[in-house]
Amino acid sequence: NAGVMQNPRHLVRRRGQEARLRCSPMKGHSHVYWYRQLPEEGLKFMVYLQKENIIDESGMPKERFSAEFPKEGPSILRIQQVVRGDSAAYFCASSPRVREDTQYFGPGTRLTVL
Amino acid sequence: GENVEQHPSTLSVQEGDSAVIKCTYSDSASNYFPWYKQELGKGPQLIIDIRSNVGEKKDQRIAVTLNKTAKHFSLHITETQPEDSAVYFCAAPRGQGNLIFGKGTKLSVKP
Repeated sequence: NAGVMQNPRHLVRRRGQEARLRCSPMKGHSHVYWYRQLPEEGLKFMVYLQKENIIDESGMPKERFSAEFPKEGPSILRIQQVVRGDSAAYFCASSPRVREDTQYFGPGTRLTVL
Repeated sequence: GENVEQHPSTLSVQEGDSAVIKCTYSDSASNYFPWYKQELGKGPQLIIDIRSNVGEKKDQRIAVTLNKTAKHFSLHITETQPEDSAVYFCAAPRGQGNLIFGKGTKLSVKP
């Protein structure tokens, strides 16, 4: 039973480029969460999605960031025109249901902006 | 909204000793409290969780206790081993489904 998959594991972008991070949830899970972790810090919630719907995006910057979870395929976190401050580890988690259900995390994508 | 405080930020113990990490939360409606272990360069791994209908839960050397009146919960690791060295995070639910995390405790177990 494969866990949460994320790719790429490492991503290097120059300022102004776009970054696309992918997340495939565990089998049977229809809820996906994205979190960001800065070095030496905890995880900060960004966005919560179900298939084809954004449920809560209160933690996501209003500009340059977007997320989707299409009917088919992985969830995508997209960062346009990246800046150095976007450098961080981005983690995806999935759960089978909703609030107060166990969330299982992927290995993360480490984004470095040069 | 929910807020989670975690202490201590660093903890160093001798192999074989016990380690205790404490978290407090603010939302009395919260009913689910997971603990995650994160090793360097890896994603958080769920190690134990507790729901508010019980006060304690054990899994081998790991236990979690919950005091709903005082709004705090604690992670207990007994007979610590060097491989227990990692950063540990507590969390509580907030909003429609996301988790709010403590700032983490870096545990070092010295052989």
